[in-house]
Amino acid sequence: DGGITQSPKYLFRKEGQNVTLSCEQNLNHDAMYWYRQDPGQGLRLIYYSQIVNDFQKGDIAEGYSVSREKKESFPLTVTSAQKNPTAFYLCASSPGGGNTIYFGEGSWLTVV
Amino acid sequence: RKEVEQDPGPFNVPEGATVAFNCTYSNSASQSFFWYRQDCRKEPKLLMSVYSSGNEDGRFTAQLNRASQYISLLIRDSKLSDSATYLCVVNNPPSASKIIFGSGTRLSIRP
Repeated sequence: DGGITQSPKYLFRKEGQNVTLSCEQNLNHDAMYWYRQDPGQGLRLIYYSQIVNDFQKGDIAEGYSVSREKKESFPLTVTSAQKNPTAFYLCASSPGGGNTIYFGEGSWLTVV
Repeated sequence: RKEVEQDPGPFNVPEGATVAFNCTYSNSASQSFFWYRQDCRKEPKLLMSVYSSGNEDGRFTAQLNRASQYISLLIRDSKLSDSATYLCVVNNPPSASKIIFGSGTRLSIRP
């Protein structure tokens, strides 16, 4: 099946630890995205990538890092510098150029 | 000013009612506009794209007003299953691929 796969679905992290959220797509999309959603809030853009080996900061990039070494993969690392990382993280992809974006099922990160 | 602004609601309307949402955007160069629907604790899903000429899909109608920089969504004959959060989505040039979401409008349909 074509789609976007995020893993893990639920993740618990101790304070001070880095964690990496995986996002893989087999839609052959050029653009990929990471958004963060806090309870009762909208989606905020963390990073996006329009092409392999290139990515841009979104509105809340501090404390996060990404890589785009392969077209199908766009992992997000939540570093210890992110002060309040507990949130719902959504990965998305798109053909690019302002076309419709499609989401994975999301990853719930909780800091304990 | 936020790039995309929506009335957060909640809108609480009876089944069968017509309800309308508006969304304003700040970048006059934006070219892509969408409405997404998000159910509680789920990922957003595309409801419809919004075209300059307006478009309709069953009970849903979307309009774009470039002069005033807003888009609208009209839901007619609302169903219980329409209860969800509706997200306004706009691209943000100069990067056509930078996609920004509004904070969403919560809709609750009561029997």
